[in-house]
Amino acid sequence: AQTVTQSQPEMSVQEAETVTLSCTYDTSESDYYLFWYKQPPSRQMILVIRQEAYKQQNATENRFSVNFQKAAKSFSLKISDSQLGDAAMYFCAYRSAGSNYQLIWGAGTKLIIKP
Amino acid sequence: ETGVTQTPRHLVMGMTNKKSLKCEQHLGHNAMYWYKQSAKKPLELMFVYNFKEQTENNSVPSRFSPECPNSSHLFLHLHTLQPEDSALYLCASSQETLGTEAFFGQGTRLTVV
Repeated sequence: AQTVTQSQPEMSVQEAETVTLSCTYDTSESDYYLFWYKQPPSRQMILVIRQEAYKQQNATENRFSVNFQKAAKSFSLKISDSQLGDAAMYFCAYRSAGSNYQLIWGAGTKLIIKP
Repeated sequence: ETGVTQTPRHLVMGMTNKKSLKCEQHLGHNAMYWYKQSAKKPLELMFVYNFKEQTENNSVPSRFSPECPNSSHLFLHLHTLQPEDSALYLCASSQETLGTEAFFGQGTRLTVV
């Protein structure tokens, strides 16, 4: 069975600086999708970025980028120029590319932005 | 506008009560999900409906009863809950093509007293 591990329960960063959130996963599959979701205090889970495992190029969305290391089964999220609005819980999730479309979730990392 | 709307936002109920959570999506998606989110634990998938048919039931106790009358609406009927059922209940929907994202509602904060 697949598992997703986020080893950092909480991280803090100074506003305007860069922070990296860690995520590792375990799977025997070769084709899958990885996601980072953000959950602000409003509680709504919002997709931040998505990576297809068959793509070697790391996904990027504005200030958010990932470092996808398939062999190491690592999928870290880098947030550049951190803003106060980035404060939230961040969840890493895995989804098989096969017929099982369930998302497997990490326990989350709480990101604190210091003004 | 989230596209996925959950009501109520907050619910306090006694262990002998019966209540229902409602979820509605306006995105034309085919699949809908119920998740339970407890503090410091990964999201737990409870139920999955694909084209109104229940395709997953992850060993959820029978005191939780889902209903999906159409592809836009999903309910979670609650009865004789326990205090440990207190959590945030999230509804999500997705278009069932590979790799598509799930869209979430803002959840119902449930407290069982």
